[in-house]
Amino acid sequence: QSALTQPRSVSGSPGQSVTISCTGTSSDVGGYKYVSWYQQHPGKVPKLMIYDVSERPSGVPDRFSGSKSGNTASLTISGLQAEDEADYYCFSYAGSFYVFGTGTKVTVL
Amino acid sequence: EVQLVESGGGLVQPGGSLRLSCAASGFSFSNYWMTWVRQAPGKGLEWVANIKEDGSDKNYADSVRGRFTISRDNAKNSLYLEMSSLTGDDTAVYYCARESWGPHDWGQGTLVTVSS
Repeated sequence: QSALTQPRSVSGSPGQSVTISCTGTSSDVGGYKYVSWYQQHPGKVPKLMIYDVSERPSGVPDRFSGSKSGNTASLTISGLQAEDEADYYCFSYAGSFYVFGTGTKVTVL
Repeated sequence: EVQLVESGGGLVQPGGSLRLSCAASGFSFSNYWMTWVRQAPGKGLEWVANIKEDGSDKNYADSVRGRFTISRDNAKNSLYLEMSSLTGDDTAVYYCARESWGPHDWGQGTLVTVSS
């Protein structure tokens, strides 16, 4: 049950796009369509941003999008805004258990 | 509105036990898998365990298997996590969540501190 691999940090200026990768294996990310992404501001509860690889819950801005290719899933934030500065975690079904990613800090320059 | 309220956290000595509860409201509790997730201070999220709608299927992370037991009482709309043989590595905020192939709605969390 190894954690999925994410970059430690990514950054961008307001209005730019950033992409966070989430690399797993064929036993988790690559094997199922059940990849989610969570945003967590300091001291706050995680918030679901993307589920089932690319679906957005109601209320999540369409600036957030998800995709997957092989064993790597990605979260793209387009038109970066100051309030997007937070930690982001990917999450995948892995058969009889689940696994989170290592987390990525997004900084808005 | 989905509401999940955890309780039962606190300070416990190494080797001790603790039972966490999660009271659910605003949705049909018996129709959903439920999950526990934890986050150690300053660390990332870790999936702990989940349980099927009727309690007939349970899954655990390797780090807690054999020490933690997840259960539910659909008549009381409640989820539980029995924790035993606790160590400092179990110190974390524990969140319960309504699941749909991953946590969708989260509670506010309850802090468990394992220390002598």
